[in-house]
Order: sequence, then C-alpha cells, then structure tokens
Amino acid sequence: QVQLVQSGAEVKKPGASVKVSCKASGYTFTSYAMHWVRQAPGQRLEWMGWINTGDGNTKYSQKFQGRVTITRDTSASTAYMELSSLRSEDTAVYYCARAYGSGGACMDVWGKGTTVTVSS
Amino acid sequence: QSALTQPPSVSGSPGQSVTISCTGTSSDVGNYNRVSWYQQPPGTAPKLMIYEVSNRPSGVPDRFSGSKSGNTASLTISGLQTEDEADYYCSSYTSSSTWVFGGGTKLTVL
Repeated sequence: QVQLVQSGAEVKKPGASVKVSCKASGYTFTSYAMHWVRQAPGQRLEWMGWINTGDGNTKYSQKFQGRVTITRDTSASTAYMELSSLRSEDTAVYYCARAYGSGGACMDVWGKGTTVTVSS
Repeated sequence: QSALTQPPSVSGSPGQSVTISCTGTSSDVGNYNRVSWYQQPPGTAPKLMIYEVSNRPSGVPDRFSGSKSGNTASLTISGLQTEDEADYYCSSYTSSSTWVFGGGTKLTVL
C-alpha cells in the first residue's frame, strides 16, 4: 500500500539545522511531487514547500525562503526537508504529503509526522 | 500569503448537517479549483476528504461534500456522526504557485 515513512523525533538547539526524511513506498516515487507541511503546537497547518520528484525543481513558501531546502534521492525513493537557523518558533510537527491530482491539486497521502523540538 | 479564513468552531448534533466555510481571495480560492479539505483528529496526521473543490477520494463517505462560490469554498457534512469530531482545514493553490491553508475549524458533535 502507498506509505510515507518519516524519520524520528529530533531535539535541536537554536541556530542549528535539522534534516527530516520521508521514504515513499507502494508507488512510483518520481510520478508524484512531494509537499512539506508543518504544524506548531495548537496551531494551523502551514505549507512550507514542495519538490517535483522527477526533475528536482522546488518551490518554497516566502516565509521559509532562504532557510528551507527540499531535496530528493530517487534511488532511495526518499524526500528530505532541511530547515536551518532554527529558533524556538520552529518547534512543530513536520509532515511530508504526496501531491495528487491536476497540478498537484491536493495532498492525498501523509506521513505520520516528525516532531522537531528547538530548545536550549 | 495570509491564511484562508475559516470559523474557529462549529457544532451539531448527530444526524444534523453542518457547513464549514473557507474564504480566500481572487488570488487563491476564487481563481483556482485546486481547493481541498482535510480532517485531522487530535494527535493524528491530516486526512484528505475533498479535492478539486468537490471530489471525494475513494473511501470517504458521501456524507462529505464540497462546493465553491466566488472566493468562498464550503465543506458540508450531513448526517453527523460522533466520529466526525475533528479539526478541519481547507487549502488552496495560489497565484504565487504556492499553497495556503485555512486557520482550521474545530467540529464538535454534541
């Protein structure tokens, strides 16, 4: 079955970077783009960016531009999201989600999320 | 990009119908049919309920329906059941080639 398995929880100090992985299975990885979405405690979902897993092209939210890098390894069917210059406000659950439909219209399969805690 | 506007909470009794609105602008909801809805029970990942304004993925009950008029999209849940209690988020593609989510709506089934 289609599945996205994310890496485990992380605890980071302010100023550090974190890299979260998302391994896809059950479908052809390069046929679907991948979104990254985060959710701070008690807050709304927030779109961070996405990657065309076929050619590697990316698009980022202006809010995270310059701090986020989304990459993929097609041989491992894995997408990655790296966020740098971490601050306490980046404490959140980070989700990967497969893009589905015309122009990646929606996010049809989600990973279980990776909790990132930023604390000194 | 500002978040789409949703009511913070809605409620209904089992068997009733509720509608959750999602208001954007002509730069997102009003100009694109890439509007989707997600259900998120506490402590779990979101689940796709409606895509491209009104399409239901397989496995989603037909009690869930979506529509759009102008800059406002709506999710209607008919025949409310206790298991429908969750947070609901809308999302839309934007003219900046990005996506934006709503602020979320907490549905309480009384």
